[in-house]
Amino acid sequence: DGGITQSPKYLFRKEGQNVTLSCEQNLNHDAMYWYRQDPGQGLRLIYYSQIVNDFQKGDIAEGYSVSREKKESFPLTVTSAQKNPTAFYLCASSIPDRGVNTEAFFGQGTRLTVV
Amino acid sequence: AQKITQTQPGMFVQEKEAVTLDCTYDTSDQSYGLFWYKQPSSGEMIFLIYQGSYDEQNATEGRYSLNFQKARKSANLVISASQLGDSAMYFCAMREVSYSGAGSYQLTFGKGTKLSVIP
Repeated sequence: DGGITQSPKYLFRKEGQNVTLSCEQNLNHDAMYWYRQDPGQGLRLIYYSQIVNDFQKGDIAEGYSVSREKKESFPLTVTSAQKNPTAFYLCASSIPDRGVNTEAFFGQGTRLTVV
Repeated sequence: AQKITQTQPGMFVQEKEAVTLDCTYDTSDQSYGLFWYKQPSSGEMIFLIYQGSYDEQNATEGRYSLNFQKARKSANLVISASQLGDSAMYFCAMREVSYSGAGSYQLTFGKGTKLSVIP
């Protein structure tokens, strides 16, 4: 079955540590996205990538980094510079980002907690 | 200013009744797309329905319909014959051209409405 797989589902991090969230898709989509969701805030865009080896900052990129070495994979690293990383992280993908009618498909999410 | 506004943090509806979830949007683009997603407690985002800015007919998908009023910039979701499984968060989103980041098409979300279906 085609889809987007995020792992792990739950992640605990000590303050000052970097952690990497995995996102893999087998939908053959070119565009991939990372969103952060806080209670009452909706989804906010962290980073997005339209093609391999290229990515762009979203609205809240500070303290995060990404890579896009393969079409299928778009890992997100939450660095120690992110002051408040506890949140629910959603990865998404869409067909080539050419138009306003392209829906995004989402993974199951990773809940990150700083302890 | 917020691009997507959902004014109802929470809504209750009796099972088998219809419910309308409000969404207003703000854009100066002529071409844009409006989406509704459902987020159950498990966390995944499920695509429900899409309306294009040039579509003259309101979109429908099974029990979901989108009441699109372009002049008022509103795109309300109507769920008919509510079921217990409809209890979830519902997000309205808009895709428009972003002139930063090499002209990509950004998807912007509202803050959501929590719908509870009462048996």
